[in-house]
Amino acid sequence: AQSVTQPDIHITVSEGASLELRCNYSYGATPYLFWYVQSPGQGLQLLLKYFSGDTLVQGIKGFEAEFKRSQSSFNLRKPSVHWSDAAEYFCAVVRGSTLGRLYFGRGTQLTVWP
Amino acid sequence: GAVVSQHPSWVICKSGTSVKIECRSLDFQATTMFWYRQFPKQSLMLMATSNEGSKATYEQGVEKDKFLINHASLTLSTLTVTSAHPEDSSFYICSALRLAGGNTDTQYFGPGTRLTVL
Repeated sequence: AQSVTQPDIHITVSEGASLELRCNYSYGATPYLFWYVQSPGQGLQLLLKYFSGDTLVQGIKGFEAEFKRSQSSFNLRKPSVHWSDAAEYFCAVVRGSTLGRLYFGRGTQLTVWP
Repeated sequence: GAVVSQHPSWVICKSGTSVKIECRSLDFQATTMFWYRQFPKQSLMLMATSNEGSKATYEQGVEKDKFLINHASLTLSTLTVTSAHPEDSSFYICSALRLAGGNTDTQYFGPGTRLTVL
């Protein structure tokens, strides 16, 4: 069955520093992968997604992610973090063939120091 | 962007009562909606797929008789937690699938409903 693993529960970075959040997936074929951000009081917001094609995916808010089949990874990156990026980040993979059936990783809490 | 709303945003109820949570797609029609559950500091767990006009499809381990799902219209799905108990206390999140064709199909999430059962 498809699944994703986020190894880091909590990451702290200084504002302006670069960021990389890790996500590893388990799936035999090419997975449909997503990164979502969850802020308190707000719904999950889609940052970016990968279905096929170019392995470097650009998302909103300056985020990007790279699909690496050889490493079974889909890490999220941002070159310069802003204080407003502090939130919970979830990696997710589609379960089966139904787009909305997602298996979420446990999430990574990002803290940004001023 | 598309908006999905949930009502109520939070609810407190006594043990043994039933609670209904509504999920609405405000500016698009959604034949398929999804219900997730999130425990504090944990991930989202898919509970069921709600299909307009037909029975919901539940994930393994989810009690169908406890979590009743109704998707009576193209913009509304409801989750009823029947005979709620303290262990049902959680954050319930719905999502709606907006079909636009191929890779542009997008899932939009509601803001969630915090259920506390006393």
